[in-house]
Amino acid sequence: GENVEQHPSTLSVQEGDSAVIKCTYSDSASNYFPWYKQELGKRPQLIIDIRSNVGEKKDQRIAVTLNKTAKHFSLHITETQPEDSAVYFCAASGKEYGNKLVFGAGTILRVKS
Amino acid sequence: EAGVAQSPRYKIIEKRQSVAFWCNPISGHATLYWYQQILGQGPKLLIQFQNNGVVDDSQLPKDRFSAERLKGVDSTLKIQPAKLEDSAVYLCASSLGLGGYEQYFGPGTRLTVT
Repeated sequence: GENVEQHPSTLSVQEGDSAVIKCTYSDSASNYFPWYKQELGKRPQLIIDIRSNVGEKKDQRIAVTLNKTAKHFSLHITETQPEDSAVYFCAASGKEYGNKLVFGAGTILRVKS
Repeated sequence: EAGVAQSPRYKIIEKRQSVAFWCNPISGHATLYWYQQILGQGPKLLIQFQNNGVVDDSQLPKDRFSAERLKGVDSTLKIQPAKLEDSAVYLCASSLGLGGYEQYFGPGTRLTVT
């Protein structure tokens, strides 16, 4: 089945700096890659997603890049703010396994002001 | 638009007892998911329904866990008997359909087994 690895497990940045979180996946048939943000004690919320027919997608300060050949995708947050502090999860899914989402282990992002 | 509803929000039980969780998905969402999220880990899919049929339950411990989605709307997840390692947050999510649709999560039920 699909396996998703996520790095780093924790990331501390100064306010205003950029943050990058990387994920690799094992199933070359995966075609949908969402990123979720989860604040302490709250539900995961989708912040951005990308499909396998696109290499990059941006939404204001957030961007995701996908390298299908290398089977990895990354989340980029620019001009980080204290409210960006949360746990970020990447995930992957594809038709091969019933389109179920397989999540990475998560990255704790701390933005220091 | 109302979000995914779950109840209860918190539950404390002793091992070997049984417990049930309820989920009401967003209206019109055909696909419903139950996830288990252990502290410090990402959500793990337990079972996935498309309308009232099971699409994937490969990671559901069927000797103790069961789930149903009668009439293709609300769903219940049951654990009987509970073990200490079942302590986790149980998240319900729904989406319009299979394959690349955004999944909307409910607030979760935090289960503590003592």
